[in-house]
Amino acid sequence: GAGVSQSPSNKVTEKGKDVELRCDPISGHTALYWYRQSLGQGLEFLIYFQGNSAPDKSGLPSDRFSAERTGGSVSTLTIQRTQQEDSAVYLCASSLDPNRASPLHFGNGTRLTVT
Amino acid sequence: AQRVTQPEKLLSVFKGAPVELKCNYSYSGSPELFWYVQYSRQRLQLLLRHISRESIKGFTADLNKGETSFHLKKPFAQEEDSAMYYCALVGSARQLTFGSGTQLTVLP
Repeated sequence: GAGVSQSPSNKVTEKGKDVELRCDPISGHTALYWYRQSLGQGLEFLIYFQGNSAPDKSGLPSDRFSAERTGGSVSTLTIQRTQQEDSAVYLCASSLDPNRASPLHFGNGTRLTVT
Repeated sequence: AQRVTQPEKLLSVFKGAPVELKCNYSYSGSPELFWYVQYSRQRLQLLLRHISRESIKGFTADLNKGETSFHLKKPFAQEEDSAMYYCALVGSARQLTFGSGTQLTVLP
C-alpha cells in the first residue's frame, strides 16, 4: 500500500511568513511523529500523536511551532513567523501502536528553506 | 532523560573490510534500540531492532547493557552499504530518540 506522504516536498518562504506542512500517514497507523533533520544535527524530535491521547509536544522548539492531527489521520505542522534557523528537512513518520517496538515508516520529508 | 550518542559523523572503509558504527545510549530503564538507515535519495527506513536479534543485509547489532552500547557491525562492507545510519532508542512515553547519525562511505 501507499507509504507516508508529505507535502509539499520543497518549500521556500520569506522570513516572517507562516508555513504549513502536511503529512498523510499510512492507513491504520495510530502513532504519528514529526522530526526535524538538520545538517550535522541528526533527527530532532518535535511532536508525537497517539490515537486520541493528548500529543507529546515536548520537542517543539518554540511557541511558533504547532501541530494538529485531524480525525486521527492527516497531520499538519505549522510554523509561524518563520526564521532562518527553521530551515531544515521536516520528516513525518507513522507506526502501528500500542506496540512501541513497531518500526517507524518515514515520509520523504519537506525541505523548508527560509530566506 | 534519554540520550543517544554516535561519536563518528563520518566513517570510511574499503570494500570487503569490516565496519563498526558506534552507538552509546543513556537511559535509566530498559531500552529498546534500533538502527535506521537512509540511502542516497531514499527515505529513512528501519534496518534492524535489538529485540529481533536479526541480521539484515549482513548487519548485526548487540545490546550491551554493561557498556550501554548498541554498535552496528558488518564483517565485509559492500559499496551499496554507503548511507547515513542513525541509532535510535525508545524509552519513556514511546518517544523515539535518534543519535546525530554516521555517514558511512564504502570505498571501492
